[in-house]
Amino acid sequence: DQQVKQNSPSLSVQEGRISILNCDYTNSMFDYFLWYKKYPAEGPTFLISISSIKDKNEDGRFTVFLNKSAKHLSLHIVPSQPGDSAVYFCAASGYTGTASKLTFGTGTRLQVTL
Amino acid sequence: EAGVAQSPRYKIIEKRQSVAFWCNPISGHATLYWYQQILGQGPKLLIQFQNNGVVDDSQLPKDRFSAERLKGVDSTLKIQPAKLEDSAVYLCASTFLTSYNSPLHFGNGTRLTVT
Repeated sequence: DQQVKQNSPSLSVQEGRISILNCDYTNSMFDYFLWYKKYPAEGPTFLISISSIKDKNEDGRFTVFLNKSAKHLSLHIVPSQPGDSAVYFCAASGYTGTASKLTFGTGTRLQVTL
Repeated sequence: EAGVAQSPRYKIIEKRQSVAFWCNPISGHATLYWYQQILGQGPKLLIQFQNNGVVDDSQLPKDRFSAERLKGVDSTLKIQPAKLEDSAVYLCASTFLTSYNSPLHFGNGTRLTVT
């Protein structure tokens, strides 16, 4: 049961353009959402998050949008840079009855080309 | 601050053998997690510790996996006996705050190959 879905396994964007990474979730109990970035042979690193009480959160070149009614969030990177090439994981958090749990999507590999 | 340390970085074993992974979280972080990341999938939580107590181990295959955090600092994850499907990257993460929306700090992981 994949509760967090990233339907695009890969994305290629030219340097300077906008990158849009999408994520859908099914569990309405999720109330906090995070994006992690992962380089090869490294662990994921936290990028940006958003609470369910907001619909937008911005941090420099990174903006996350949340549409609760559609159970959809997206990460916008503007402008995209070659160093942004990595795998991006969407994650959702919420209490499951026993403890909080972070559920990850399968990731989207972003390649920013020159 | 020093990050989450994990060892070894790589491990190759035959099926039915045993293996252990070690994790040292960021100093002062009370909450420690072990995740399993199979190729092409996102990380999946295996076990969560709060200090030296288990908070959630609902997805830990307890017939073959075990984990401990005896003094509330370092942690060890063991697999015995290993199966082919255990081939994955095992990630350790920690957080300072107990709040469930605290971003996790991950180590670089241990890549396990079971042949």
